[in-house]
This record gives sequence, structure tokens and C-alpha cells, in this order.
Amino acid sequence: GQNIDQPTEMTATEGAIVQINCTYQTSGFNGLFWYQQHAGEAPTFLSYNVLDGLEEKGRFSSFLSRSKGYSYLLLKELQMKDSASYLCAAMDSNYQLIWGAGTKLIIKP
Amino acid sequence: GAVVSQHPSWVICKSGTSVKIECRSLDFQATTMFWYRQFPKQSLMLMATSNEGSKATYEQGVEKDKFLINHASLTLSTLTVTSAHPEDSSFYICSARSGGAQETQYFGPGTRLLVL
Repeated sequence: GQNIDQPTEMTATEGAIVQINCTYQTSGFNGLFWYQQHAGEAPTFLSYNVLDGLEEKGRFSSFLSRSKGYSYLLLKELQMKDSASYLCAAMDSNYQLIWGAGTKLIIKP
Repeated sequence: GAVVSQHPSWVICKSGTSVKIECRSLDFQATTMFWYRQFPKQSLMLMATSNEGSKATYEQGVEKDKFLINHASLTLSTLTVTSAHPEDSSFYICSARSGGAQETQYFGPGTRLLVL
């Protein structure tokens, strides 16, 4: 079957670095998405990886290893506003999204 | 974990026809369902929020007469795109939540609509 796993909750300190991992099993693969969702708001697109490697975009970076079915989202210089849920979603061969349940990131001063 | 399904996965239709998309929560009761529209590599755009047994609340700029939403039961919500036009072609995603705003929101796999 198709499945996505990511931690339910993580806690980090303001100014620090945090890595949110995501493992996936899908029928075919057409890329992996990361979204940020603040409570009561729609998910905001953060990144899309379809090739192996690291893509950096400001304080946020996303990594993909297709052979391992693994991705991570790296957040640097954490700010209080980064407190949110982070959703990992893989796109299968039918271009359907398989969603993780989200990782709730709590930032402490 | 909780599963949300959508049907159909893909739909191709002629301009002027209506298309119905179903969103089901398979193993939990969804008191609230959300409908989103997504453009490639963009954030999800919330179209409307529906609570079971109530009229949907539409976001600004979303035509409620064009995008009909029905949340008839705790496990099913439908989005009907009426008189579809090519500009309605998009990826429609639903999500469902079993409780209040702090409860986890589970997303469906999406429905790709292509209007010719």
C-alpha cells in the first residue's frame, strides 16, 4: 500500500535548527512536497523535490533520496512564527497526493 | 491513520457540463470538510469550508453558484463544478477534520479536472 510517515510533534528552540523527516512508500513517484500550515489557515507551499539532493530556499531546505524513500525539511534560524504543522506529501504515478498526517513544530523561546 | 478519499481521481469533460467530485472520510466522522484548489507548485487555495448539515462558507472570490458544496453526512462532502469552463481546470483537494480547529486535518489525494 501507499504510506507516508512523519513525526507527530517536535519541539525546538528559537534560533536553532530543526530537521523534520518524512519517509514514503508510493506506487510510482512524481515528486515530494512540503507544506506549512498554521492553525486555521490553508497549507502554504514550501518546496517540491523530484530529483535527489538538497534544495535550499532561504532558511528552509528540503532533501530527497528516492532510493531510500526519504525526505527531510530543514529549518534554520528558527523563529517563533515557524511554529506550525509541516505536511509532507508524495505524488504517485497517477499524480495523486499521498499525505502525511503532519508534524506539529513547537518553537520555544 | 485516518484516510480521506476522493472520487474520481481524474475527470475530463466538455465545456458547459457539470462535474461532481466526492470526498469521503473512511474511518472517522468529519464534522468539517474543506475544499481547496491547487495550481502547480503553489499553495493550496481554500475555496470553502463545510460543516455537516450546514451551508458551506465560501472564501472571498469563490462563486458559490458555480462551486456547489454539499456536506450531507459526517463522511461525505461533494463539490459540483457547474457549467465548467477551461479555466476551471485544476487540481481539487479536499480535507476533513473530526473536531475543532486544533484537531488534525486529513487531506485527500486530489481530483484532476480538465475541461476541454
